[in-house]
Amino acid sequence: DTGVSQDPRHKITKRGQNVTFRCDPISEHNRLYWYRQTLGQGPEFLTYFQNEAQLEKSRLLSDRFSAERPKGSFSTLEIQRTEQGDSAMYLCASSLDKGEAFFGQGTRLTVV
Amino acid sequence: QKEVEQNSGPLSVPEGAIASLNCTYSDRGSQSFFWYRQYSGKSPELIMFIYSNGDKEDGRFTAQLNKASQYVSLLIRDSQPSDSATYLCASKAAGNKLTFGGGTRVLVKP
Repeated sequence: DTGVSQDPRHKITKRGQNVTFRCDPISEHNRLYWYRQTLGQGPEFLTYFQNEAQLEKSRLLSDRFSAERPKGSFSTLEIQRTEQGDSAMYLCASSLDKGEAFFGQGTRLTVV
Repeated sequence: QKEVEQNSGPLSVPEGAIASLNCTYSDRGSQSFFWYRQYSGKSPELIMFIYSNGDKEDGRFTAQLNKASQYVSLLIRDSQPSDSATYLCASKAAGNKLTFGGGTRVLVKP
C-alpha cells in the first residue's frame, strides 16, 4: 500500500462550476478525514467518516459542500457552484480509530 | 479562542541548536496529540504522537505533554537546514476529529 492517494493533484475551474475530488485511504483504515488549508493557516476540518458513516461535518461548511464514502472505502468531496473563496488545498487523511492520521498529497483547487 | 494555539513564528535557530516549539489546547477531553511537519506546498507529514504525560523521544525529536497545563511541546535537537518547515500541532479527543493549530514556521540558518 502506497498510502493515501488523492486525485486530481491540481484543479483549475471557473467560478460557478462544480468540482469533485477523490480520496483513496490506506486500505485498512476505517477513518477518513477531509480538511481544507489556505496559505499560512493550519488545516481546517471539513468532515470525517468512520467506515461509510459521516460522523461530523463542520458548522462552517457551506451547503455547497458534500462528501460521501460509499462502502467505507474511497471518498469523494464535491463542491457545487464554486466561488473564488473556495480556492485552497483540500487534504484527505486516514487513520485507524485510535491511531495517527496520515495525509495524502492534497488537491490544490484554483477558482478563476 | 482557538482550540489549538501555536505561535506562528518564524522561529529562527542556528544550525546544530535546539528548536523548541510550543502548543496549547483548550479541550480537556483531548487524549492524543500529534506533531506534523509541512514543507511549503506539500501535505503534512507525521513526525510524532504522544498520549501520556511526560516525554517521548524519537531520534532528534522529543515531544512533551503536560495535560494539567494543557500544553504540548516539540524539541528538535541538532537542527538542520532540512528541518526548516512549518510544524503543526494537532489534538484528538476520543471518537473525535483531529484539530490543528495554525502552525509554527521554523527557519534553521546554516
